[in-house]
Amino acid sequence: TQLLEQSPQFLSIQEGENLTVYCNSSSVFSSLQWYRQEPGEGPVLLVTVVTGGEVKKLKRLTFQFGDARKDSSLHITAAQPGDTGLYLCAGVISGSARQLTFGSGTQLTVLP
Amino acid sequence: ETGVTQTPRHLVMGMTNKKSLKCEQHLGHNAMYWYKQSAKKPLELMFVYSLEERVENNSVPSRFSPECPNSSHLFLHLHTLQPEDSALYLCASSQEISSTDEQFFGPGTRLTVL
Repeated sequence: TQLLEQSPQFLSIQEGENLTVYCNSSSVFSSLQWYRQEPGEGPVLLVTVVTGGEVKKLKRLTFQFGDARKDSSLHITAAQPGDTGLYLCAGVISGSARQLTFGSGTQLTVLP
Repeated sequence: ETGVTQTPRHLVMGMTNKKSLKCEQHLGHNAMYWYKQSAKKPLELMFVYSLEERVENNSVPSRFSPECPNSSHLFLHLHTLQPEDSALYLCASSQEISSTDEQFFGPGTRLTVL
């Protein structure tokens, strides 16, 4: 059983569509991060959320941290081919060592 | 060179070979990490170093041996690996070991064990 479950695993959409990907856990996290990884590269940090209920926006990307700090979502508006990549959520479990626990990712493909 | 670099980018080795992966960070960070990324599995943290001291070893088999000679360099020495060790090995660094510090990742070494 994975600590962080991401859904969907794969998502293929047309340019201009909106989408939401989810990151869920039964554990409480002190903080949660979203990364994007492109082929042949390492993950790159998009955002860090630390407060339950927090919403952060990064251009067309909206990140939300659940009130109970057990889940998070990433919403992309008007997706573009440049958004294609593997989206990973990662968090630090409250009260644990400071290591990041990663989800297995959502592979997003945006078709032109 | 900026950021986090890793060499080699690709490595093919037999089960009896000995090889080393190298990571270098040019960011002045104090913490460095090795992760393993296998297909359809989450990134697995292998080792964490802070100021050249190993602070975490996540039950990694002894055929993987890390070395951190200084805060800018991290090595992963490989010996008698198994085919299931084939994966992308990612190095990362952060300013400190903190729940909110951004980790900067290198491009990874794609390892294939025959």
